[in-house]
Amino acid sequence: SYELTQSPSVSVSPGQTASITCSGEKLEDKYVCWYQQKPGQSPVLVIYQNMKRPSGIPERFSGSNSGNTATLTISGTQAMDEADFFCQAWDRNTGVFGGGTKLTVL
Amino acid sequence: EVQLVQSGAEVKKPGESLRISCKGSGYSFTNYWITWVRQMPGKGLEWMGRIDPSDSYINYGPSFQGHVTISVDKSSSTAYLQWSSLKVSDTAMYYCARLNPPAVADPNFDSWGQGTLVTVSS
Repeated sequence: SYELTQSPSVSVSPGQTASITCSGEKLEDKYVCWYQQKPGQSPVLVIYQNMKRPSGIPERFSGSNSGNTATLTISGTQAMDEADFFCQAWDRNTGVFGGGTKLTVL
Repeated sequence: EVQLVQSGAEVKKPGESLRISCKGSGYSFTNYWITWVRQMPGKGLEWMGRIDPSDSYINYGPSFQGHVTISVDKSSSTAYLQWSSLKVSDTAMYYCARLNPPAVADPNFDSWGQGTLVTVSS
């Protein structure tokens, strides 16, 4: 079965750029979405189709997908961005999530 | 406004059956697939399966095929997730989500329910 791999944790200082990666075989052939989940809340879609932002998502969130790696970039990271982030893709009509990355802003 | 409202928390014993619900509003319910996602305590998201409300076509994730049943009632714009015999390991938060856009191979999960916490304990 298809797998998506994420680093368990990323730390960033306020105002700096955070990069969260998601790797999978030939991932560039798939559309990748990213979801943000804060403690006690439901996940929220922040990036879809590799790089598109839903309405209401700040411009500091951006995405890319090349080769075997998709990247979620948060520019000018704010304390409110601290959360778990999950990448997601589809493989043969099956939804696949990465294991998640905990973003700490300190 | 698109809303998915899930049923309340449940506490069950091993072997009991359970059905939880997800009611959609603010959009044409039959035009968008509904999907279910499991999140075990302190863990990540796991895709369980999805259903097309227009014809009840379903596909399940490999880990969940045969363990749960997904269904839908178009008349009430409600999707369901059910178990015939719960296990302690079914203890988790369960989310429903809308898949968008419709009728594509790789939709995104654009709206989520608030989650239903299922606790299975003897």
